[in-house]
Amino acid sequence: DSGVTQTPKHLITATGQRVTLRCSPRSGDLSVYWYQQSLDQGLQFLIQYYNGEERAKGNILERFSAQQFPDLHSELNLSSLELGDSALYFCASSVGRGTVHNEQFFGPGTRLTVL
Amino acid sequence: GQSLEQPSEVTAVEGAIVQINCTYQTSGFYGLSWYQQHDGGAPTFLSYNALDGLEETGRFSSFLSRSDSYGYLLLQELQMKDSASYFCAVMNTGFQKLVFGTGTRLLVSP
Repeated sequence: DSGVTQTPKHLITATGQRVTLRCSPRSGDLSVYWYQQSLDQGLQFLIQYYNGEERAKGNILERFSAQQFPDLHSELNLSSLELGDSALYFCASSVGRGTVHNEQFFGPGTRLTVL
Repeated sequence: GQSLEQPSEVTAVEGAIVQINCTYQTSGFYGLSWYQQHDGGAPTFLSYNALDGLEETGRFSSFLSRSDSYGYLLLQELQMKDSASYFCAVMNTGFQKLVFGTGTRLLVSP
């Protein structure tokens, strides 16, 4: 158990809908990272927040947005969903702005299925 | 930018030794890491190399050659539970994000 929690574990929805994925980082970690992993694909970095502020953006679509709240939990919002958005979405956390020794702690993921 | 290449799949038998290679291209280098991911599970950190040479952690070792932009993960005394995907990763310039390789699927058979 990494100490990072994500909800829900599974999510099934229809095209065109909007969903929100939630992540709570490890106690004491200020950075939250979001990744997308499609079937047989690697981990694609989406976005990073540090202490409430956006710090880095990766291959995140305009239909997707995220935020980090004062209690440091984070939400990833996916809207106008398409079939291709079906994937595992992981949240990870680390203590500082970057990662010490490239170590991030990953949550169990949310499996999103768009029908 | 950064790019990392790994073999897509490696197979081995229980008790054997296997090496998973990773070559990278990066404008700035801040160390090479390895993560393990079981099917449907979360990636978990295995190792980190900032300097050339071999780092050993139990049955797993990781090697780095910065001059060759190359590293590998060595798994010894393979067990069935080692069947998983293994990803190498580098930090981008600015320490903002980890860039992961495409992953190597390791299949361990009895």
